[in-house]
Amino acid sequence: EAQVTQNPRYLITVTGKKLTVTCSQNMNHEYMSWYRQDPGLGLRQIYYSMNVEVTDKGDVPEGYKVSRKEKRNFPLILESPSPNQTSLYFCASRRDRAPYEQYFGPGTRLTVT
Amino acid sequence: DAKTTQPNSMESNEEEPVHLPCNHSTISGTDYIHWYRQLPSQGPEYVIHGLTSNVNNRMASLAIAEDRKSSTLILHRATLRDAAVYYCIRPDGGAQKLVFGQGTRLTINP
Repeated sequence: EAQVTQNPRYLITVTGKKLTVTCSQNMNHEYMSWYRQDPGLGLRQIYYSMNVEVTDKGDVPEGYKVSRKEKRNFPLILESPSPNQTSLYFCASRRDRAPYEQYFGPGTRLTVT
Repeated sequence: DAKTTQPNSMESNEEEPVHLPCNHSTISGTDYIHWYRQLPSQGPEYVIHGLTSNVNNRMASLAIAEDRKSSTLILHRATLRDAAVYYCIRPDGGAQKLVFGQGTRLTINP
């Protein structure tokens, strides 16, 4: 089954404790992306990657890092999480050609205390 | 500017058709229109896309105005499972990202 998976689905952590949220897709998609969703602010893009070793900032990249060492994986790294990073995070992937429809993971709900 | 305009909310009854409107007056000639929906507690789900002509798939139909400044997502027979937030999106920056607005929250009454 074609899908985007994320782990963990739920995470509660403390300020400053480094964490990684994994994302994997089995559709051989070139493009992958991370979004965060907050009430009243909708979905906002954090980082995206056009292919292996090619990443770029989205609209809200501060406090996050990403890497793309393999085509299928695109982990999101929070080196020193803060409470304002408490949010619902979605990973997405798509092919690198029109019409560019994206496929989203199930989401990771992160709480930073 | 890849912004689109949708009503904040709509309500319909089960087994009736639903027409969800979207304005995208600044769209260029090569931009696709995408529709996604987000069911409660789930990630956004691709619904349909179109460029110039009307489109149908197993989930919905998409009617695109002749001037392409607006489109309408049509759910032919709404079910309770169609209750979701529906997003009309024009990819931004050479299709590098999707800019999600607030979408339309669709409520289906039994």
